[in-house]
Amino acid sequence: SQKIEQNSEALNIQEGKTATLTCNYTNYSPAYLQWYRQDPGRGPVFLLLIRENEKEKRKERLKVTFDTTLKQSLFHITASQPADSATYLCALRGYQKVTFGIGTKLQVIP
Amino acid sequence: ETGVTQTPRHLVMGMTNKKSLKCEQHLGHNAMYWYKQSAKKPLELMFVYSLEERVENNSVPSRFSPECPNSSHLFLHLHTLQPEDSALYLCASSQDRGGEKLFFGSGTQLSVL
Repeated sequence: SQKIEQNSEALNIQEGKTATLTCNYTNYSPAYLQWYRQDPGRGPVFLLLIRENEKEKRKERLKVTFDTTLKQSLFHITASQPADSATYLCALRGYQKVTFGIGTKLQVIP
Repeated sequence: ETGVTQTPRHLVMGMTNKKSLKCEQHLGHNAMYWYKQSAKKPLELMFVYSLEERVENNSVPSRFSPECPNSSHLFLHLHTLQPEDSALYLCASSQDRGGEKLFFGSGTQLSVL
């Protein structure tokens, strides 16, 4: 069966460090993969999209990699700030629809 | 603001009530979605509309009834819900039905007593 795995446990890091979040998937051949940020009680906010033929995408302090051989995407936030504390969701475009992972809660400690 | 507005933000209803959730998007998008988010579960896609036509219904119980009168408005009509239906209900829109770059509303936190 198709599965998207994100580390559902919280990730705590010190302010200024690089946060790295992982999204693994099985039994998918996604056309693209997306990352969203979600704050408590709010809807997710789109951050980045990376396509199957792209290895890396950057936006300001954010970087996403996509390895279709390993079936994995890594999401990096450099020079992390307390304001980056949130839950980060990955979402895959599979057959006919987008499916979300459960998300990883990031806590940036001042 | 994301350009997608949902009302109400919070809703408490009994199992015999009928209520409706409303969503409006100001982005000129052609596709709109309803998602359900329960605690410690991933977002679950409920319905997809493309150009006002329902294109997907993910085996959602009939006590949830969507309506899309035009490409800017989406409703979710609720009746005889169960306590396990308590969740955050999110509306989203995208340029087309492919699901790229979804814009979400803030959601309606629903509690069924």
